[in-house]
Amino acid sequence: AQSVAQPEDQVNVAEGNPLTVKCTYSVSGNPYLFWYVQYPNRGLQFLLKYITGDNLVKGSYGFEAEFNKSQTSFHLKKPSALVSDSALYFCAVRPNTNAGKSTFGDGTTLTVKP
Amino acid sequence: SQTIHQWPATLVQPVGSPLSLECTVEGTSNPNLYWYRQAAGRGLQLLFYSVGIGQISSEVPQNLSASRPQDRQFILSSKKLLLSDSGFYLCAWSVPGFNQPQHFGDGTRLSIL
Repeated sequence: AQSVAQPEDQVNVAEGNPLTVKCTYSVSGNPYLFWYVQYPNRGLQFLLKYITGDNLVKGSYGFEAEFNKSQTSFHLKKPSALVSDSALYFCAVRPNTNAGKSTFGDGTTLTVKP
Repeated sequence: SQTIHQWPATLVQPVGSPLSLECTVEGTSNPNLYWYRQAAGRGLQLLFYSVGIGQISSEVPQNLSASRPQDRQFILSSKKLLLSDSGFYLCAWSVPGFNQPQHFGDGTRLSIL
């Protein structure tokens, strides 16, 4: 069975500092990996995905994520955090098979303080 | 461009009453459709997904059912709501394919009294 772990419920950073939101996964075969962001009382918004190729993936709003196959990780990063980045972030994984469905992590709340 | 609509945004229902939540997608054809429940602003639980009209897969045995009467319409229903049905319900769609992200509506917050 596939799974996603987001080991930190909460991440706090100061505005202007770099941020990292961690994600590790377990899946049979090659994974497709996704990051989503959720603002209060809203649905999830897609940020970026890893399918194949370059391990560093760039997405919306200046976010990027690094795929590390040996560590089965897909950490979300941003060089300089903004207060407006404060939100709930979800990592998701699905296998590249016909029967595969997405599994979401439990989410990490990011708070960026001015 | 594609858009997804969910309604209502909030709903308060008594225990034992029926439920119907509707989701429609515009600007795409033959999307995969999904219903999720999110508890306490945390993880998502997949309830149902559909790859075509009349094709519904249930992920969790429960008090709820789903239907897809039209290509871009997905309905979540219940005949009798339980207190445990309270939560934030999210509809999503994706282009068919393994590597396609899901696109979410803004959800319905359901409170059962």
